[in-house]
Amino acid sequence: EMQLVESGGGLVQPGGSLRLSCSVSGFTVNNNYLTWVRQVPGKGLEWVSVIYPGGNTYYADSVKGRFTISRDNSKNTVDLQMNILKPEDTAVYYCAKGLYNDYWGQGTLVTVSS
Amino acid sequence: EIVMTQSPVTLSVSPGERATLSCRASQNVRVNFAWYQQKPGQAPRLLIYGASTRATGIPARFSGSGSGTEFTLTISSLQSEDFAVYYCQQYSDWPLTFGGGAKVEIK
Repeated sequence: EMQLVESGGGLVQPGGSLRLSCSVSGFTVNNNYLTWVRQVPGKGLEWVSVIYPGGNTYYADSVKGRFTISRDNSKNTVDLQMNILKPEDTAVYYCAKGLYNDYWGQGTLVTVSS
Repeated sequence: EIVMTQSPVTLSVSPGERATLSCRASQNVRVNFAWYQQKPGQAPRLLIYGASTRATGIPARFSGSGSGTEFTLTISSLQSEDFAVYYCQQYSDWPLTFGGGAKVEIK
């Protein structure tokens, strides 16, 4: 069974950093596209970042230069390092499999507030 | 950036009726297009990819059509569990983008 489980969310001050992790089971991260999508509570979905099987990475303009996606093949995890966080980064962050996302985690809430 | 515009924003439908949702892309995305369903407190669920291919386990009452810039999701006979928010997404070009969502509510 394919499962994704996010962790690492929480409360952080503006300008701070946070690292989210997505633990994957049932498939390997190095052979699949892994995506981060976020959602402000009560609002729509926003695509954030993707890492290709070959290692290429892409980012939304809103996070480019501040967020970094990476993977650890030995742990079968995908991480999202978030720096210089802003209040508008407050959202539930989901990791998901694929370019079109056929499997999703349950999400982890990130709150950026002083 | 490719802008995805969904319409209507809210659709009021009676159980058993047909529901049709539309999504327009600001540029040609070919068939690199997906639909998702999201219920409160849950992660989104993939319904359709490749514009018209149902994802695993999705009932046949859900169908997708279109290519290029115009796409449609049809739910042939709404069941109680279908009342939810629906999102479209293009995965043709970076950044990938979602539509703003369309809520299907009980009439």
